[in-house]
Amino acid sequence: GAVVSQHPSRVICKSGTSVKIECRSLDFQATTMFWYRQFPKQSLMLMATSNEGSKATYEQGVEKDKFLINHASLTLSTLTVTSAHPEDSSFYICSAPWGQITTQYFGPGTRLTVL
Amino acid sequence: GQSLEQPSEVTAVEGAIVQINCTYQTSGFYGLSWYQQHDGGAPTFLSYNALDGLEETGRFSSFLSRSDSYGYLLLQELQMKDSASYFCAELSGSARQLTFGSGTQLTVLP
Repeated sequence: GAVVSQHPSRVICKSGTSVKIECRSLDFQATTMFWYRQFPKQSLMLMATSNEGSKATYEQGVEKDKFLINHASLTLSTLTVTSAHPEDSSFYICSAPWGQITTQYFGPGTRLTVL
Repeated sequence: GQSLEQPSEVTAVEGAIVQINCTYQTSGFYGLSWYQQHDGGAPTFLSYNALDGLEETGRFSSFLSRSDSYGYLLLQELQMKDSASYFCAELSGSARQLTFGSGTQLTVLP
């Protein structure tokens, strides 16, 4: 099966700083990747669709200037949380479709804690 | 709008059979997926139904009725390791996005 990695797996930062999370498709190319956020005991909420070579598409209510997405290559998408605040603390997960586009493979997630 | 409803919790004993239901309301619907997520982990793909009927994969089966906007995940011969959260997710839209249900926490008791 397809493998998606994320880095870092865990990050703790101070309020006001920016954090970059990388999502890589290791053995396949992904023109589209998806970024989700999950708060404890809640479901995954789609934040944005990352498109290789073009602008990301953000879901309603997600601030595009706060959550910067760059999909610079067919195997890498990055999410930068700018000026992070404690309420941004969450589990961030990326995914990419592979093979039949109906199946998405998820990265292991990044747990962000903003102090 | 898009929304999926599933029970919040289900409890069963080892060896039993459990059915987790999911109802959805959406336009642009392509199919229904099921994912398993253990605490602290990433979602793992279990199954996908695009057409009406039953899909079987080992101990897990998934069913879809498009006319009823309804599906279910059936877990047989439950094992302790099956204790996890299970999400139904609909595939829709031009980008084939997944919209997740609220999740069902399954607890398997010895």
